[in-house]
Amino acid sequence: DAGVTQSPTHLIKTRGQQVTLRCSPKSGHDTVSWYQQALGQGPQFIFQYYEEEERQRGNFPDRFSGHQFPNYSSELNVNALLLGDSALYLCASRQRDTDTQYFGPGTRLTVL
Amino acid sequence: AQSVTQPDIHITVSEGASLELRCNYSYGATPYLFWYVQSPGQGLQLLLKYFSGDTLVQGIKGFEAEFKRSQSSFNLRKPSVHWSDAAEYFCAAFSGGYQKVTFGTGTKLQVIP
Repeated sequence: DAGVTQSPTHLIKTRGQQVTLRCSPKSGHDTVSWYQQALGQGPQFIFQYYEEEERQRGNFPDRFSGHQFPNYSSELNVNALLLGDSALYLCASRQRDTDTQYFGPGTRLTVL
Repeated sequence: AQSVTQPDIHITVSEGASLELRCNYSYGATPYLFWYVQSPGQGLQLLLKYFSGDTLVQGIKGFEAEFKRSQSSFNLRKPSVHWSDAAEYFCAAFSGGYQKVTFGTGTKLQVIP
C-alpha cells in the first residue's frame, strides 16, 4: 500500500514564475490538505480539498490555488513567486470520516 | 485563537536517558492531539494520537504521551532515547471535520553519545 506521494522532490524557480506541485493521496483517502513549512518552522495550513472543492483555507493569498481531481489526487499552484515562498510544501491525506492525516515526503521549493 | 505551543525549541539528551517533550494547546474544546516526527528534509511521520479515553497513549518507536486536561498539555515521553531518535518533533491539534490541523513550532532533539 503506497503512502502519500508528492512530485517533484525538489524545484528551483525564479521570482515571478509560476509553479505546480502534485500529490497523490494514500489509497482509500479522499481528503487532501496542503501545508507550507518554512525553514525552522512548523507546517502552516494552506487549504484542504474534499470532493474536488476547497473546504477550508488558511491565511494564504490568492496566489496560492489548488485543485482536486476525481481520483482524489491534488495540485497546488503558486503564481507570481516571491522569495518568501521558498519552503517545504507538504501534502497530507485522510479518509473523510477519520481524523488522522498522513503526510507525504514534501516538495522543496527554492525561489531565487 | 487556536494554538499549539512547544516551549522547548531545542533539547539535548544523552543516549539511554529519558526524554520528555512538552506541548500545550489552546482550543475551545479538547481537540484531537497528535505527535509527529520529522527527519531532516523529510515529511512528517505520525508517532501517536489521542482522541478520547485512556489519557496515556502508546505510539511507535517506544514513545508514549499523556493527555492532561487540567493543564491543557499533551507531553511526549520516551524512557530511553536512542541515537536514531534525533529529529524534530511536532505536536499538532485538530478539532475535526473540515477544520485545519494546527502545529506547534517544533522541538529539535539532539542525542549525544
